[in-house]
Amino acid sequence: AQSVTQPDIHITVSEGASLELRCNYSYGATPYLFWYVQSPGQGLQLLLKYFSGDTLVQGIKGFEAEFKRSQSSFNLRKPSVHWSDAAEYFCAVATYNTDKLIFGTGTRLQVFP
Amino acid sequence: DVKVTQSSRYLVKRTGEKVFLECVQDMDHENMFWYRQDPGLGLRLIYFSYDVKMKEKGDIPEGYSVSREKKERFSLILESASTNQTSMYLCASSSVYRWETQYFGPGTRLLVL
Repeated sequence: AQSVTQPDIHITVSEGASLELRCNYSYGATPYLFWYVQSPGQGLQLLLKYFSGDTLVQGIKGFEAEFKRSQSSFNLRKPSVHWSDAAEYFCAVATYNTDKLIFGTGTRLQVFP
Repeated sequence: DVKVTQSSRYLVKRTGEKVFLECVQDMDHENMFWYRQDPGLGLRLIYFSYDVKMKEKGDIPEGYSVSREKKERFSLILESASTNQTSMYLCASSSVYRWETQYFGPGTRLLVL
């Protein structure tokens, strides 16, 4: 069955530190990959997506993600975290012949000053 | 700017009541979705609609129904609310492909007493 795993439920970092949020997927076909962010009390906003081409994808708010087919991963990174990045982050996966996104269970990011 | 709005941010209902959650998008999108978000479970798809009057069940349709009479509006109906339907409900829309970038509303937090 298709699945998405975000192994870290909760991550805490200091402001200015680097960040990496992990996402692993289980799919037979070439995946389409997404990262969404949900700020407190808000809906989800797309950070970035990967469909094809360059495996390093740049997104909004200074985030990037790298697709590694050999590891079935699509980890999200940011070199220097800001306090406003505190939110919940969701990885999502789809393929061309599926009709929906499969979301991971989310990683909650806490940022200390 | 794209916009998905939901009729209520917070709702409190009693067990057995009929509950309507409404979602409106202004992007002329074909696809609209209703998700339920619970801690530790991520987002789970309840129903989606790919055209006016067309709908398909998602992963957890039991206890819910939907209505799409106009392209811009997608309603989620809880026929007889139960306490286990206390949750955050998120509406989303996308154009053309169902797995394409989805735009989310701010969510409705429903409490069933």
